Amino acid sequence: GQQLNQSPQSMFIQEGEDVSMNCTSSSIFNTWLWYKQDPGEGPVLLIALYKAGELTSNGRLTAQFGITRKDSFLNISASIPSDVGIYFCAGPSGTYKYIFGTGTRLKVLA
Amino acid sequence: ETGVTQSPTHLIKTRGQQVTLRCSSQSGHNTVSWYQQALGQGPQFIFQYYREEENGRGNFPPRFSGLQFPNYSSELNVNALELDDSALYLCASSSDREAFHEQYFGPGTRLTVT
Repeated sequence: GQQLNQSPQSMFIQEGEDVSMNCTSSSIFNTWLWYKQDPGEGPVLLIALYKAGELTSNGRLTAQFGITRKDSFLNISASIPSDVGIYFCAGPSGTYKYIFGTGTRLKVLA
Repeated sequence: ETGVTQSPTHLIKTRGQQVTLRCSSQSGHNTVSWYQQALGQGPQFIFQYYREEENGRGNFPPRFSGLQFPNYSSELNVNALELDDSALYLCASSSDREAFHEQYFGPGTRLTVT
């Protein structure tokens, strides 16, 4: 079945550094969503991508829809302590449901 | 505009019991999807409800069932609870049923089965 693999699985970075993470799929997607989840809370939608090659920003976050349609990338610039959390990518599996990646756990050292 | 809300926040049940979790969708949204998130994992799709009917289902047994009401709120029912059902249960609402519509999540219900 379809799988979404995220890397890295976890990362420690210094405050102020830029962060890059990616998500790869075993099949082609026509939509990519990026979510952030804080402990004990539901995921919060950060960015939605709908077109191969699309580059979309939301504040310090920038996400790209890979041209192969099998991957997506999320970058965070000038990280701050509140960026701590788990970042999930998600894509449609069939017509009506999403599958989620394994998550990238981000920890920021002040 | 109100976001997605879920109740209760936390719940403790005994193996074999039944549980009902509730979700109110975001204003203007007619589709609700339910997810199970085990500790350290990404959310796993359980099913979706659109116009009061189940519209798609993940790899979950029939003891997981649901309802959607005319106001688009929804319930998740789990019968014959098992220890492995312990998880965070999330609902997400969207403006329509197709997967390309953005989904917005509620805060979740933490279920513990002992």
